[in-house]
Amino acid sequence: AQSVAQPEDQVNVAEGNPLTVKCTYSVSGNPYLFWYVQYPNRGLQFLLKYITGDNLVKGSYGFEAEFNKSQTSFHLKKPSALVSDSALYFCAVRDMRGKLIFGQGTELSVKP
Amino acid sequence: NAGVTQTPKFRILKIGQSMTLQCTQDMNHNYMYWYRQDPGMGLKLIYYSVGAGITDKGEVPNGYNVSRSTTEDFPLRLELAAPSQTSVYFCASMGGRTDTQYFGPGTRLTVL
Repeated sequence: AQSVAQPEDQVNVAEGNPLTVKCTYSVSGNPYLFWYVQYPNRGLQFLLKYITGDNLVKGSYGFEAEFNKSQTSFHLKKPSALVSDSALYFCAVRDMRGKLIFGQGTELSVKP
Repeated sequence: NAGVTQTPKFRILKIGQSMTLQCTQDMNHNYMYWYRQDPGMGLKLIYYSVGAGITDKGEVPNGYNVSRSTTEDFPLRLELAAPSQTSVYFCASMGGRTDTQYFGPGTRLTVL
């Protein structure tokens, strides 16, 4: 069965530093992987996805993610964090019937 | 183009009461989904629909019902509210030619 894991409940970063939010996956077949962001009291917003092609995927708000097949990972990255990036981040994988399976979420806190 | 809208935003129910959470999308998407979000648990799929007249159970369907009489609307019904249904509920939709789900702002439900 498809699954994703986000090993960190919380990530703390200083503004201006690079950030990484980790995600590992377990799928049969080729993975369809997604990152979503949730700001307080809001719905989820799509950031980026990997379907096929380049291992480095660029998305919204300066975020990017690196697909690594050998390590079954899809880590979210940003070269320089902003305080406004503070939010809850979800990794997800699409199963064979088109449904998304979400990780438990990682809370990113960026301090000035 | 409003995207995915949900009503109400907040609701408090007593045990045993019933209610319907409304979800409407104006993007002509075939696929629609209902999730619940509990703290630290990510999102769990309740029900989904691949088109008008077609619905199917997700991961946590017990205590809920859905219908899909039109492409635009996908209401979620709670027949006998229980404290375990206290959660934030999100509706999402996805077009047939894209892999990206778009989320509504959510309904925060408390059952006392």
